[in-house]
Amino acid sequence: DAGVTQSPTHLIKTRGQQVTLRCSPISGHKSVSWYQQVLGQGPQFIFQYYEKEERGRGNFPDRFSARQFPNYSSELNVNALLLGDSALYLCASSLQGLTYEQYFGPGTRLTVT
Amino acid sequence: KQEVTQIPAALSVPEGENLVLNCSFTDSAIYNLQWFRQDPGKGLTSLLLIQSSQREQTSGRLNASLDKSSGRSTLYIAASQPGDSATYLCAVRGGQNFVFGPGTRLSVLP
Repeated sequence: DAGVTQSPTHLIKTRGQQVTLRCSPISGHKSVSWYQQVLGQGPQFIFQYYEKEERGRGNFPDRFSARQFPNYSSELNVNALLLGDSALYLCASSLQGLTYEQYFGPGTRLTVT
Repeated sequence: KQEVTQIPAALSVPEGENLVLNCSFTDSAIYNLQWFRQDPGKGLTSLLLIQSSQREQTSGRLNASLDKSSGRSTLYIAASQPGDSATYLCAVRGGQNFVFGPGTRLSVLP
């Protein structure tokens, strides 16, 4: 079975632009979570979606938004990019929510110049 | 607010040693704790998941314990190998959030 997939792998954007990151969960998994990992730190929780509804949100500004589609894939959108948004963005899927084991994708490396 | 710390921040050991990585959390009201491994620039690989009702989990050379009342978890790695070199992260689930520690960077020297 394929694991969690994310696209694109790398992305370079300019300050003020908008970006969309994509995630496909493991087949059968209904929950997707998004994390931001700045170099040298542990990942920070951004969002959790389960059955297409937002079930959790971390301490991130409204410039960050996400959605989950009927096939359980998900998109993370970031508007008005700042230099500080440069990070590795990780997606994780689990069967039904955070109580279950989370499986992570390889991440999308976003660089904002 | 849940805070997770990991000690030590970095560790360098010769091949074959048994070692212990520590994870502490401030709020004992957790649902589970998960240990991950991360290679440089890569995603996270799940190692062990311990539910709040469990005391320990084992997988191969890895054993993780959980003491909710004291807010601690340890990851024991037996007979370390150079391939174990990576950053090890623990994360706790409480409410609708999932909080990671900063990680322990492990180097196993041949």
